[in-house]
Parts: sequence; structure tokens; C-alpha cells
Amino acid sequence: AQSVTQLDSQVPVFEEAPVELRCNYSSSVSVYLFWYVQYPNQGLQLLLKYLSGSTLVKGINGFEAEFNKSQTSFHLRKPSVHISDTAEYFCAVSVYSGSARQLTFGSGTQLTVLP
Amino acid sequence: ETGVTQSPTHLIKTRGQQVTLRCSSQSGHNTVSWYQQALGQGPQFIFQYYREEENGRGNFPPRFSGLQFPNYSSELNVNALELDDSALYLCASSQGSTVYNEQFFGPGTRLTVL
Repeated sequence: AQSVTQLDSQVPVFEEAPVELRCNYSSSVSVYLFWYVQYPNQGLQLLLKYLSGSTLVKGINGFEAEFNKSQTSFHLRKPSVHISDTAEYFCAVSVYSGSARQLTFGSGTQLTVLP
Repeated sequence: ETGVTQSPTHLIKTRGQQVTLRCSSQSGHNTVSWYQQALGQGPQFIFQYYREEENGRGNFPPRFSGLQFPNYSSELNVNALELDDSALYLCASSQGSTVYNEQFFGPGTRLTVL
């Protein structure tokens, strides 16, 4: 079964510094990858997704991710973070369950931006 | 346009009881998925309903059941509650069940089982 692994459970970073949140996926013929953000006491919000095409994907709030097939990775990056980026970030892969397309999530990375 | 809403926001039950959680889909969406998010973990897929029929299920026992209504709102029912059922329950609606149909998440219901 397809899965994703988030390599860091917590990432502290100073404001205006760059950040990379790491995600590796299990290899498959077709892979569809997502990054979601979860702010405290809220649901999940889609940041960006890779379905096909360009391997560099740009999302909301200045985030981007690169699909790397040889490394089986889909790392999330932002060149300069803000205090408001403090949140939990989840990498996910879309898989079939019956005839349903469902998301399989990693365990999450808590990004804490320090002043 | 109203987003995905869930009720109640918080709920406390005791072991062995039954609970019903509710979800209202975003306007125009015919598909609802339910996820369980235990503390410190990523969400886990419970099941999905498409046009009132269950069309996919994750690794959850039969005491987790659901319904989808003609207006595409949905319920998640859990019988014989166990302590490990304590979690945030998220529903997500979409316009279909393909990878191209973005799932929009509600804020969740926090269930505590004592």
C-alpha cells in the first residue's frame, strides 16, 4: 500500500529564515501527493498538490514543493517564514479504497516559527 | 458559499455508549469522507459516501457506520465506544471521488471517551 513518511516531527525556525519540511513516499507507478496545513483547533487546508506535469509545484502562502521521483520525495519549502506559519503540516498521498479516492496522511510536522 | 460544518464541536462520552457526529457538506458537493485524527497523529480514513452510498472504507471495525442524506449531509455513528476512540473526527466534502476533486475539511468534532 502507498504511504508517506514525514521525517521530522518538529521543526523550529526563526522568523524570516527558510524552511524545508521533508516527506518521502513509497514508490508506485502513479503517485498523487498533497501538503495540508492544520492550524490549532481547525480542520485541514490544502497548501498544494502534485498530480502530474511540472515537478515544481507552487501553493498558497508562498509555499512550494518539488516532486523528485528518483529520491521518492516531495519536500515542502518556503524561502522566508512568518510567525503566522506556525502550524502542523501533513504530507498525504491519494490512494484507492474500494472505489473511493482517499488520502493517506503522514504523522505530521509541527513547524514553530520563533521571533 | 458556506464551507463544511460539523456538529457538535466537542463531546464527552463514557465507554460503551453510542455517539452520532454530523457533517454538512459544502454547497454543490456530493461526496463526504470521514477521518479520525488521534492526538499527535495524522488523520486516518474511516469511510467515504458518494451519492448516499458507501463507496470505500478504511481499516475500521463495523461499529463505525455512517449515512449520507439526499442533501449530501452526513452522519458518523460509533457504537460501543472504547477509550481509543477519543480523537478529532474530521469530515471532508468534495464534488466527486477522483484525485482531481479537492477535499474540503470541516473544523472537526473532538470526542473524548472516559
